Amino acid sequence: GENVEQHPSTLSVQEGDSAVIKCTYSDSASNYFPWYKQELGKRPQLIIDIRSNVGEKKDQRIAVTLNKTAKHFSLHITETQPEDSAVYFCAASFRDDKIIFGKGTRLHILP
Amino acid sequence: NAGVTQTPKFRVLKTGQSMTLLCAQDMNHEYMYWYRQDPGMGLRLIHYSVGEGTTAKGEVPDGYNVSRLKKQNFLLGLESAAPSQTSVYFCASKGLATSGGELFFGEGSRLTVL
Repeated sequence: GENVEQHPSTLSVQEGDSAVIKCTYSDSASNYFPWYKQELGKRPQLIIDIRSNVGEKKDQRIAVTLNKTAKHFSLHITETQPEDSAVYFCAASFRDDKIIFGKGTRLHILP
Repeated sequence: NAGVTQTPKFRVLKTGQSMTLLCAQDMNHEYMYWYRQDPGMGLRLIHYSVGEGTTAKGEVPDGYNVSRLKKQNFLLGLESAAPSQTSVYFCASKGLATSGGELFFGEGSRLTVL
């Protein structure tokens, strides 16, 4: 079936260090992988996405990597700042643009 | 340009009551989605629609019905509410793309079933 697994569920990093969140997906035909950030009490918002014809994409301190063979993609945040504290969700697009999310990672940036 | 609007934002129901959540988007998007969010469970897809007049089941469709009679509206109905349906419900929409594309979310609707 269609499934997205996300790890870890909670992550604490020192301010200035890097954070990595990993996801796997079930269907090799999936070709679109977005990441969303949700701050407390707010709606999820897209921060970066990647399509299957690309192995890596960067946007300032955020990068996403994709390994199609392993059906695995990761979010990398460098030089973390207090405002990076939030819940992060990965997702994958399946048949008919059915978009399934992982269970989320709560990221804590420690002072 | 309001984006995606959900009504109501808060609602308390008694077990067995029915209600409808309305999602409206003004971006002429083809795709619309209903998710529920529970602590530790992420965003789970209830139903979605790939265009006016179409609906499809998501991961957790039981106990819910949907309708997309107009392109801009996507209604989520609970015929007989149960405490297990206490959750925050998010509607989202996106435009037509080869595949993928950004989901625009509404602010969420918090539903409590007593």
